[in-house]
Amino acid sequence: GESVGLHLPTLSVQEGDNSIINCAYSNSASDYFIWYKQESGKGPQFIIDIRSNMDKRQGQRVTVLLNKTVKHLSLQIAATQPGDSAVYFCAENPEPNTGNQFYFGTGTSLTVIP
Amino acid sequence: ETGVTQSPTHLIKTRGQQVTLRCSSQSGHNTVSWYQQALGQGPQFIFQYYREEENGRGNFPPRFSGLQFPNYSSELNVNALELDDSALYLCASSAGPNYEQYFGPGTRLTVT
Repeated sequence: GESVGLHLPTLSVQEGDNSIINCAYSNSASDYFIWYKQESGKGPQFIIDIRSNMDKRQGQRVTVLLNKTVKHLSLQIAATQPGDSAVYFCAENPEPNTGNQFYFGTGTSLTVIP
Repeated sequence: ETGVTQSPTHLIKTRGQQVTLRCSSQSGHNTVSWYQQALGQGPQFIFQYYREEENGRGNFPPRFSGLQFPNYSSELNVNALELDDSALYLCASSAGPNYEQYFGPGTRLTVT
């Protein structure tokens, strides 16, 4: 089956520092990836996405990097704030021609220390 | 807020019973995907509905079934509930297959 994994299950950063959350994926045919943020008791919140024809995409305070050679995805959060504390998931679409079937990793828990 | 709503918020059922969960998609979206999220895990894909037809299914048994209505809202039905079905059930809507998905707040199902 498909495998989407995260290198670190937990991450603690000081407020104001930059955060980097990493994700490995196993299917080289995957062509669409999404990062989600999930706060306790809530559904996942879309952060940013990237397709395989790009290697970098920037949003507001967030950047996603895609390295197809080593099948690695990362989420960078600039100037991390306490409100960024949550679990972060990368999601992979391993069957791009059969619909929006995303597979999620286990998640990385980010804690921002004030 | 994503505009995706789910009902009920919480539900407690007994093993062997049946349950129906509901999802209203975001305006303009014609695709709904359902996920099961066990405690401490990432969401697991159950199935997707696109324009009222099933458009892909994950590794879930046939007792998990669904519907999508002409207004693109959707239902998830689970028969013969088992204790392991206790989880957060999430629906996500999108403007079509292979577009970004937006999740609702989920329904917390507890099976006793």
